[in-house]
Amino acid sequence: AAGVIQSPRHLIKEKRETATLKCYPIPRHDTVYWYQQGPGQDPQFLISFYEKMQSDKGSIPDRFSAQQFSDYHSELNMSSLELGDSALYFCASSLDRVQDEQFFGPGTRLTVL
Amino acid sequence: AQSVTQLDSQVPVFEEAPVELRCNYSSSVSVYLFWYVQYPNQGLQLLLKYLSGSTLVKGINGFEAEFNKSQTSFHLRKPSVHISDTAEYFCAVSLEYGNKLVFGAGTILRVKS
Repeated sequence: AAGVIQSPRHLIKEKRETATLKCYPIPRHDTVYWYQQGPGQDPQFLISFYEKMQSDKGSIPDRFSAQQFSDYHSELNMSSLELGDSALYFCASSLDRVQDEQFFGPGTRLTVL
Repeated sequence: AQSVTQLDSQVPVFEEAPVELRCNYSSSVSVYLFWYVQYPNQGLQLLLKYLSGSTLVKGINGFEAEFNKSQTSFHLRKPSVHISDTAEYFCAVSLEYGNKLVFGAGTILRVKS
């Protein structure tokens, strides 16, 4: 069965650079969630989209922005990267934001040097 | 706001022994409860979920959990573990099914032969 695809799987950036993470949800899934998991920490909710509109926002820094496109894929843009942004970034998708479970992708590991 | 406490950061256990991973939550309203498993360098996989109804929930890989409203607990159990169960386990809550997940800090289950 198709799963959530995230690209790239690994990304290395320097401080103050910009990074773009991409998420391709399971076909027909219209809701996308982004989570950040720091080293040795639990995943923290960043932001979610339903039908291309932002539906909820968590502890996402102002340096980060995200959007969901017409084909339902989503991108997380991160600017002025800091060392503390080094983490595993998960994307999850669901078929219906109130009826279906969240299916997680394998994550993108971002390392900021 | 809701929160999740996983009481054990690591649980070592011998193969074929029973195991219980503890999870307590706090919320002023009803919540939905989940257990996820994360294998090294992989995404999060749903083990089981409690939405309503029977308080004993059975999931994949022989795991089960019991929802106890009076003790605000949702402990995960398995009667006989395998080496392949070695992973990190996260308890999570959401106010609505499909809403953002709030995770506990995780419990690393180490199964020894």
